Amino acid sequence: RKEVEQDPGPFNVPEGATVAFNCTYSNSASQSFFWYRQDCRKEPKLLMSVYSSGNEDGRFTAQLNRASQYISLLIRDSKLSDSATYLCVVSNQGGKLIFGQGTELSVKP
Amino acid sequence: GAVVSQHPSWVICKSGTSVKIECRSLDFQATTMFWYRQFPKQSLMLMATSNEGSKATYEQGVEKDKFLINHASLTLSTLTVTSAHPEDSSFYICSGTDRVGYTFGSGTRLTVV
Repeated sequence: RKEVEQDPGPFNVPEGATVAFNCTYSNSASQSFFWYRQDCRKEPKLLMSVYSSGNEDGRFTAQLNRASQYISLLIRDSKLSDSATYLCVVSNQGGKLIFGQGTELSVKP
Repeated sequence: GAVVSQHPSWVICKSGTSVKIECRSLDFQATTMFWYRQFPKQSLMLMATSNEGSKATYEQGVEKDKFLINHASLTLSTLTVTSAHPEDSSFYICSGTDRVGYTFGSGTRLTVV
């Protein structure tokens, strides 16, 4: 079983749609949680950290449920520029970042 | 903000040659550098973790004699792919941390022909 698993993609949505990504992790000792965005052939860029209390940044909302080891990302009013691969990432005790396989999002006009 | 400068951004080499990839942390000291590899349509896979001044720790299945990592200073880490073969063709990316945050290099696309 992979340490971090994400929804298979791709997600093809129209502009303005709301899209939700799900992620589960297997290591209950994981310490920090993130969503990264990766554009084609580029390095991943931090989108937001994820906290148990939930956090929001504009159109993006992230949730963490430690009991069920589940992380989510909600994108509202999606834009063409949101098209990318979204990576669910957890860090373990050694500070290593473990990446999910990523979910590709394509927002169409 | 913190920046990790990674070079080269792309390289094509002949099978059997060695390639060195450099990552320099600018404006911060990377106490730890992580090295990742990403094959097409796959996620980033951690290859090794290096701390300044000590030997790198390699993930299971990664050959330490093939992927030589040097982290001689808090601002420079290098990955050398020795005797590269076509199956080593991949996107290699480093990530430096000063224990506060993680900063990624821009990646190196290696093609071995």
